[in-house]
Amino acid sequence: DTAVSQTPKYLVTQMGNDKSIKCEQNLGHDTMYWYKQDSKKFLKIMFSYNNKELIINETVPNRFSPKSPDKAHLNLHINSLELGDSAVYFCASGTGVGNTIYFGEGSWLTVV
Amino acid sequence: GEDVEQSLFLSVREGDSSVINCTYTDSSSTYLYWYKQEPGAGLQLLTYIFSNMDMKQDQRLTVLLNKKDKHLSLRIADTQTGDSAIYFCAESKNSGYSTLTFGKGTMLLVSP
Repeated sequence: DTAVSQTPKYLVTQMGNDKSIKCEQNLGHDTMYWYKQDSKKFLKIMFSYNNKELIINETVPNRFSPKSPDKAHLNLHINSLELGDSAVYFCASGTGVGNTIYFGEGSWLTVV
Repeated sequence: GEDVEQSLFLSVREGDSSVINCTYTDSSSTYLYWYKQEPGAGLQLLTYIFSNMDMKQDQRLTVLLNKKDKHLSLRIADTQTGDSAIYFCAESKNSGYSTLTFGKGTMLLVSP
């Protein structure tokens, strides 16, 4: 069974569209994350949720809205997509404090 | 400078040892990690070390930590072509809900 799964794996969409990426973890972890990997492979934290509560919100445009319906799910909704949003988005989960963090396989978003 | 720094590229021959180096700036870092990313794939947690340790060995992988110099290394013994990937060093702190700060990754190329 995949520990952290995210869908879709690949997404190509036009500028201005709204899209969502879903993430689920079956590890029983309390904390989930979204990371963004840019074209230069640089990874940066976007959001962190603990037990459905937003803990960390880095300087991400408010077009990005995470939603956590329960602690096993953290979805990412992106409004009015821009070319610069093209990246790989990784969902991750962990136990919270001083822990190992496990990543999903990534969602490759291309905005054209 | 960057919080976590790594050299960008390393090329070795199959069967040799590989050593990937990383430096970090935050002395309060509690856990230090190595992740592997193969082309088109997600992030795989390889190993991690707690800051009160100076060495950890796991099969072909040896992690060395010099806390005084804030230097972390990953040694891969008997490197195989399947080890070709990008290796990310990351740090986290044992305070609050820890997130990972990543280096920019070292691309390891193993030639036959």
